[in-house]
Amino acid sequence: EAEVAQSPRYKITEKSQAVAFWCDPISGHATLYWYRQILGQGPELLVQFQDESVVDDSQLPKDRFSAERLKGVDSTLKIQPAELGDSAMYLCASSRDSHLAKNIQYFGAGTRLSVL
Amino acid sequence: AQSVTQLGSHVSVSEGALVLLRCNYSSSVPPYLFWYVQYPNQGLQLLLKYTTGATLVKGINGFEAEFKKSETSFHLTKPSAHMSDAAEYFCAVLAGGFKTIFGAGTRLFVKA
Repeated sequence: EAEVAQSPRYKITEKSQAVAFWCDPISGHATLYWYRQILGQGPELLVQFQDESVVDDSQLPKDRFSAERLKGVDSTLKIQPAELGDSAMYLCASSRDSHLAKNIQYFGAGTRLSVL
Repeated sequence: AQSVTQLGSHVSVSEGALVLLRCNYSSSVPPYLFWYVQYPNQGLQLLLKYTTGATLVKGINGFEAEFKKSETSFHLTKPSAHMSDAAEYFCAVLAGGFKTIFGAGTRLFVKA
């Protein structure tokens, strides 16, 4: 069964350092999502791509976070500089499309970030 | 705007007992509704979904949920809890636009 791949699974960094997370969606899925999940809370959408275009980044802290999906396949989420409050699980998900009928999201295992 | 409220951040049941996890949503248009399960240090796995049609939806692992428009609810149930059901469960709503909104989650504990 196809899966969403994420790496690394765990990342420990010091504040003010740069970190990057990678996601490879299920083959053929046009829509890719990055979520942040703070301990004890539900996932919160950071950015959504349709192919290589950003369709929603309203909750992305753009002063320090950036995301790209250059060829419309895999994606990278970067934080620079990292802050203590960025400690969380970062989840990537993909769906065949963003249209309602095709918007069944499949999640990767996530990257747990700890900022010291 | 849409929103999701999960009643009870923690639910504890005995093995073999009924599981009931509550979810209420708010949406100005007909919603799609989802339940996801998350095991420790894992991503979310889809349990079941309601889109249109039959309001009683069956999912994996013996779970089911019923969409009740009049009550704006989508509660998750399982007749008999198993130890392996211990996890965190998230209700989510997708309506109108393309953003899925997740509830805060309910952690299910199963006692032997």
